[in-house]
Amino acid sequence: DGGITQSPKYLFRKEGQNVTLSCEQNLNHDAMYWYRQDPGQGLRLIYYSQIVNDFQKGDIAEGYSVSREKKESFPLTVTSAQKNPTAFYLCATQASYGYTFGSGTRLTVV
Amino acid sequence: LAKTTQPISMDSYEGQEVNITCSHNNIATNDYITWYQQFPSQGPRFIIQGYKTKVTNEVASLFIPADRKSSTLSLPRVSLSDTAVYYCLVGDLSNYGGATNKLIFGTGTLLAVQP
Repeated sequence: DGGITQSPKYLFRKEGQNVTLSCEQNLNHDAMYWYRQDPGQGLRLIYYSQIVNDFQKGDIAEGYSVSREKKESFPLTVTSAQKNPTAFYLCATQASYGYTFGSGTRLTVV
Repeated sequence: LAKTTQPISMDSYEGQEVNITCSHNNIATNDYITWYQQFPSQGPRFIIQGYKTKVTNEVASLFIPADRKSSTLSLPRVSLSDTAVYYCLVGDLSNYGGATNKLIFGTGTLLAVQP
């Protein structure tokens, strides 16, 4: 998927658990993003990072956390504080021509 | 940030040309127009990008009038596999990654191609 690997493809979370979604890129892009998509809706920005060791909240950051210790990696943790985490999560990088997306992780609360 | 407006859905038949129009009345001087395609349970995929007039690649054409307040994505001779959601985005890609330039995805246009 254009040099972005998201894992796992499917993830099941029990109530009260924290889970971490992986995003790795080999495109050498500085900017990375996490989006959430709910059925029939567009993408909503959770967090983004312009450079290593720096990240900013997006529009719906509550209940989520991220880290950017390496340029290649931007993991997203869905914490127990996120009350409605069931959704499709997309990681993306951005170059001058636009976004490149991973294949997504579908998270379901069981 | 320029907001975009697209039709929620469109229907077509195989072999037809499909035109999807996007309205972006508040587009800024440095903004580019980019279209993405998304299939179910996949990430959006870049289709085409332009600034003004007409851009064509192997997949689609993008028509942008002189005032740049709208744009039209043209898909020639669609097939069943073109059934997807199409997003129109507007943003300044020369300063990417910043809070003021993050691209906003609307709900897109669901194109349904029938046999």
